[in-house]
Amino acid sequence: TQLLEQSPQFLSIQEGENLTVYCNSSSVFSSLQWYRQEPGEGPVLLVTVVTGGEVKKLKRLTFQFGDARKDSSLHITAAQPGDTGLYLCAFLTGNQFYFGTGTSLTVIP
Amino acid sequence: DTEVTQTPKHLVMGMTNKKSLKCEQHMGHRAMYWYKQKAKKPPELMFVYSYEKLSINESVPSRFSPECPNSSLLNLHLHALQPEDSALYLCASSLDRGLGSPLHFGNGTRLTVT
Repeated sequence: TQLLEQSPQFLSIQEGENLTVYCNSSSVFSSLQWYRQEPGEGPVLLVTVVTGGEVKKLKRLTFQFGDARKDSSLHITAAQPGDTGLYLCAFLTGNQFYFGTGTSLTVIP
Repeated sequence: DTEVTQTPKHLVMGMTNKKSLKCEQHMGHRAMYWYKQKAKKPPELMFVYSYEKLSINESVPSRFSPECPNSSLLNLHLHALQPEDSALYLCASSLDRGLGSPLHFGNGTRLTVT
């Protein structure tokens, strides 16, 4: 059973456009992390969110943790080709991380 | 460059072969992990070692055998694999298994079983 659903699964946009990726669950999480995986590499941590309603910014990326700590979103402003990759949310349960279904983003120059 | 080093980067093996994947980290992390990843899919947890002891085995077939010789090294021994085992095998480490400390991944071994 997949506890973390991401949408959309695939996204292809033009350089300069904005986009939002969603990570949803019916469970409450103590914390949630976002990772980005570029082609040919392992996932790299972008951010950890812990508090319900929390908003964190990383340059053009804005991360939000839902008030009830069941969902999260990642918004990218003015996407660039370097943003291309697989975006993964991950939650901690039973002292172990599991990943969401993933969003594959392609930014076309 | 990643601080978790995996070798080899690519591996092609037949179904009767025995091979091993290696992973090394020198960050003082006490938890190490093996994940399996198919193309454009999320990583799937296989094994977790915490303080050199196997703590999680996610119902992985016995043709995959993990080994943690010390706190810096993690191996995955492969024997009698099937073509459907072809995937990217990722090693990761974290400071501790609990507390939400983030995962640090290697760049993986691309395995092809013929």
